[in-house]
Amino acid sequence: EAGVTQFPSHSVIEKGQTVTLRCDPISGHDNLYWYRRVMGKEIKFLLHFVKESKQDESGMPNNRFLAERTGGTYSTLKVQPAELEDSGVYFCASSQETAWAQETQYFGPGTRLLVL
Amino acid sequence: GDSVTQMEGPVTLSEEAFLTINCTYTATGYPSLFWYVQYPGEGLQLLLKATKADDKGSNKGFEATYRKETTSFHLEKGSVQVSDSAVYFCALSPLGSNTGKLIFGQGTTLQVKP
Repeated sequence: EAGVTQFPSHSVIEKGQTVTLRCDPISGHDNLYWYRRVMGKEIKFLLHFVKESKQDESGMPNNRFLAERTGGTYSTLKVQPAELEDSGVYFCASSQETAWAQETQYFGPGTRLLVL
Repeated sequence: GDSVTQMEGPVTLSEEAFLTINCTYTATGYPSLFWYVQYPGEGLQLLLKATKADDKGSNKGFEATYRKETTSFHLEKGSVQVSDSAVYFCALSPLGSNTGKLIFGQGTTLQVKP
């Protein structure tokens, strides 16, 4: 069974440009999460999809970030326009459980974003 | 709000040494607690978890006990190997939340030397 995959693995862009990150969860997993780790600090939650619906987007930093999950399969996270402080590693995770507080989330390898 | 605090790294040990990575948390009620590990070039993997007080999670020789009296979930291993070199993250999932979001500590880098 394939794990969670993310594309691209690395992205270097200039301030003001747009970047779109993609996450393909494990097949059959309804829950999809985005997280971000900035500069060696803690990993922070961004949002949670259940199928195509946003269950919780309380961690999205501002309206420059837009996440979608059309059809409840893969998800994209767009940053437009990118700022220097957006640099970091963006992780995607998926799970199939409904007992959210006890579930195991399966993480992708992350996308390393550098904004210059 | 809920939070997790881990001991700062990096932690450097010789092979076969005893490992402890401290983790304490602040949360309402009794959250579920997790240790995730990130090996070089890979994504995070669940190492172990405990969902209620006094539970002990264990996997690959690692153990952690959910201590509600000290709000701690310290990770231990009796004899580390070079292959254990990785970044270790302590995390919690809030009880009664309408989401499964994880709240992470800042991560502790472990380097084991032969």
